[in-house]
Amino acid sequence: KAGVTQTPRYLIKTRGQQVTLSCSPISGHRSVSWYQQTPGQGLQFLFEYFSETQRNKGNFPGRFSGRQFSNSRSEMNVSTLELGDSALYLCASSLRTGGHRAGVYNEQFFGPGTRLTVL
Amino acid sequence: AQSVSQHNHHVILSEAASLELGCNYSYGGTVNLFWYVQYPGQHLQLLLKYFSGDPLVKGIKGFEAEFIKSKFSFNLRKPSVQWSDTAEYFCAVSPYSGAGSYQLTFGKGTKLSVIP
Repeated sequence: KAGVTQTPRYLIKTRGQQVTLSCSPISGHRSVSWYQQTPGQGLQFLFEYFSETQRNKGNFPGRFSGRQFSNSRSEMNVSTLELGDSALYLCASSLRTGGHRAGVYNEQFFGPGTRLTVL
Repeated sequence: AQSVSQHNHHVILSEAASLELGCNYSYGGTVNLFWYVQYPGQHLQLLLKYFSGDPLVKGIKGFEAEFIKSKFSFNLRKPSVQWSDTAEYFCAVSPYSGAGSYQLTFGKGTKLSVIP
């Protein structure tokens, strides 16, 4: 079974531009979460999408947004890029069969990430 | 909001030495706990998890972790490390809630270097 794929793998942008990153989850997985990884802040949760709806959101400015399509693929967008947005952006997918029921948790599988450099 | 603290930034061990990586979390409710590992050049992958029941959980590659609720700790252990265990290890927590949160809060990570 193919793993989580993220495109592009590397991206260089300049300040003020916007960028769109894509994530294709494992086949059958309906939940996609996004994380930002930087040397200073570590891994930080951005948001999670399930059934095309944002379910959870981390503490990031409104410049960071995302969406999920009916085939569970997800995109995240960062507008008006800043130097501090340079990071590895990770996507994770999960079956999330438990939906909103407590006590049922499905493992999250991470992709290789997209390395974004803002100049 | 929850937070996760990993005590060591970088640990260097010789092969066959025992390993214990500390992890403490801060959260007012019930949590799910995880250890993830990132080998050089590879994806982040799940090492082990705790949801409920026996507080001593076993994961892949001989790793285990013990959940001590009174100490808000979830320390990772391995009795004898190998050179192939060289990697970065992340402790993570997710709230155990009716909302079925999949929001992981990670610690800053601990780099483990194993010397042959």
